[in-house]
Amino acid sequence: GNSVTQMEGPVTLSEEAFLTINCTYTATGYPSLFWYVQYPGEGLQLLLKATKADDKGSNKGFEATYRKETTSFHLEKGSVQVSDSAVYFCALSSFYGGSQGNLIFGKGTKLSVKP
Amino acid sequence: EADIYQTPRYLVIGTGKKITLECSQTMGHDKMYWYQQDPGMELHLIHYSYGVNSTEKGDLSSESTVSRIRTEHFPLTLESARPSHTSQYLCASSEYGTGPGNTIYFGEGSWLTVV
Repeated sequence: GNSVTQMEGPVTLSEEAFLTINCTYTATGYPSLFWYVQYPGEGLQLLLKATKADDKGSNKGFEATYRKETTSFHLEKGSVQVSDSAVYFCALSSFYGGSQGNLIFGKGTKLSVKP
Repeated sequence: EADIYQTPRYLVIGTGKKITLECSQTMGHDKMYWYQQDPGMELHLIHYSYGVNSTEKGDLSSESTVSRIRTEHFPLTLESARPSHTSQYLCASSEYGTGPGNTIYFGEGSWLTVV
């Protein structure tokens, strides 16, 4: 079946540090890939997505590139801010492998950014 | 910003009570979902619907039930709440039929505590 594995947290960084959150996937067919963010006390918001190999999703200074050869979709940001403190979820969506087009999530990575 | 609303946001109820969590969206989306988020942050799909009169069970078995009588409304009901049902419940919606790259929009969540 389809699955997503992302690096476990928590991750603690100082403001302006470089961020990488690793995400790899296993999927049948050609999934779409997503990063969602959950701020404290809120629901999930789409951060960025990519729907085919070599696509780069970007938003709010965050980037991730769909790498089919390494089945990865790592999230990066060059300079994090305190306001980026949140939980980040990597996810895939596919109509194959029994997923019915539903989102399959990783377990989430909690990021804390200190001033 | 997504137009998907959940009520109540926070609820504390006694064991054995019946509870309905409401979810409404104004985007005209066909597909709707309920996710359960455990204290460790992990998200589990418990129910989804392709449209009116459609309900499907998700990946995680749940004692809750859902109904979809109107496109915009997807309530979740627990007939007899137990402490093990204490969790955050997230409702979501998306378009359907144009591929797995459709963005799924989430509500802000309903925090349920059963005492």
